This record gives sequence, C-alpha cells and structure tokens, in this order.
Amino acid sequence: EADIYQTPRYLVIGTGKKITLECSQTMGHDKMYWYQQDPGMELHLIHYSYGVNSTEKGDLSSESTVSRIRTEHFPLTLESARPSHTSQYLCASSELGNRGKEKLFFGSGTQLSVL
Amino acid sequence: DAKTTQPNSMESNEEEPVHLPCNHSTISGTDYIHWYRQLPSQGPEYVIHGLTSNVNNRMASLAIAEDRKSSTLILHRATLRDAAVYYCILNTGNQFYFGTGTSLTVIP
Repeated sequence: EADIYQTPRYLVIGTGKKITLECSQTMGHDKMYWYQQDPGMELHLIHYSYGVNSTEKGDLSSESTVSRIRTEHFPLTLESARPSHTSQYLCASSELGNRGKEKLFFGSGTQLSVL
Repeated sequence: DAKTTQPNSMESNEEEPVHLPCNHSTISGTDYIHWYRQLPSQGPEYVIHGLTSNVNNRMASLAIAEDRKSSTLILHRATLRDAAVYYCILNTGNQFYFGTGTSLTVIP
C-alpha cells in the first residue's frame, strides 16, 4: 500500500501568487520525483531527487523549484504563478538500489489552475 | 521524441483477455520495461515490469519480444475496474520515461 500524500488536491489561484505544492511519503524512499501532466497527455519529469540535499532538473523545462531537506518531504514551489502553469502535478517516490525491483509510487496529484 | 509508442485507445468486452501493445525500438540493453495504469483523478499505479523474460503477477502478464523492441501487457480477464489509461514506460536507471498511454474501455 502506497503512503505518499499530496496537498492540496485542488488549487485555484491568481496570477503572480507564490505557491508551494506539498508532497510527503512515509516509506523511507530515497528517490522522489515531480511530474507534470496535461489532460490526455503523457507525464513529463520536471524535478527529481536522490536523497536529502539532492535535487535535479528533469527533461521538461520548468520555472518551479524544489527542495529536499528531509527524506520524507519534497515540496515544489512556484515563485510567481502564471496561467501557463495550469496543469496536474504528480509526486512519486521509489527505493534507491536494485533497479530490478525499483517501482514508482504516486500520490493522487494536485490540480493547479492559475487564473 | 517519445521512447515508447502505444495505440491511443482500445476496447475489450468484460471477462475477455486484453492485449495492450507497446513499441520501444530504441530501448537499450539495461532499460527495464514497466507498465502502470491510471484511473481518473488518481496517480498512476504499478502493474508489472521486466527486463528480458516474460513476467506474471496477480494483476497481469508481460510478454517481451526476443529483440526487446516491443512488449505486450496481457490482462487475462478484463473487468470494469480495469478501465484506465495504461502506460508503457522505460526505466533507464536515472528516469522513468512515460509514453502517451492507451485508454482502455471495458464493455459490459
């Protein structure tokens, strides 16, 4: 059973606001990821982390930033939200180690709408 | 360019087997093939994965071509709860690369 939580589930916000999307996992996983998904489209990796104090950018260019101060917590921040940031944001985690056993566990996502 | 290609949609009758195909012609020797599915308003969930050999678990079977350039997810008896978007994914070690997915409709 996956134990990865994202808040808020839905967020409607005005242009120019600073927002932070929260993601926490209780499985002790080292790797964490943020994906962006538009309706009917594939998931695109925007950030990932191998562990505490590790953050990397994914393939999709993003104006967001992330931090990893604690193993269980991987928040994503947008300093100034714009309508182009409207999308679903999915957080995931996996255990670092044996690639043959590596699986992703996803949260339920945050649907962000910027007006 | 996407690393995996899948049909946009498929239909199946309830209680019948479903074969969901995926092409990954640029796969490298160490890439793992994963399948996940996504129900509406939820994050994707793991279904099955493999490297070279066919794999079975309680949810599905994964058939991998000998040259590894394609694979097929097999649901042995489709139920209404199997209606979802199914993603074929390559795990390269650093990243999981998602395709556009196949939307499966199960007809009662």
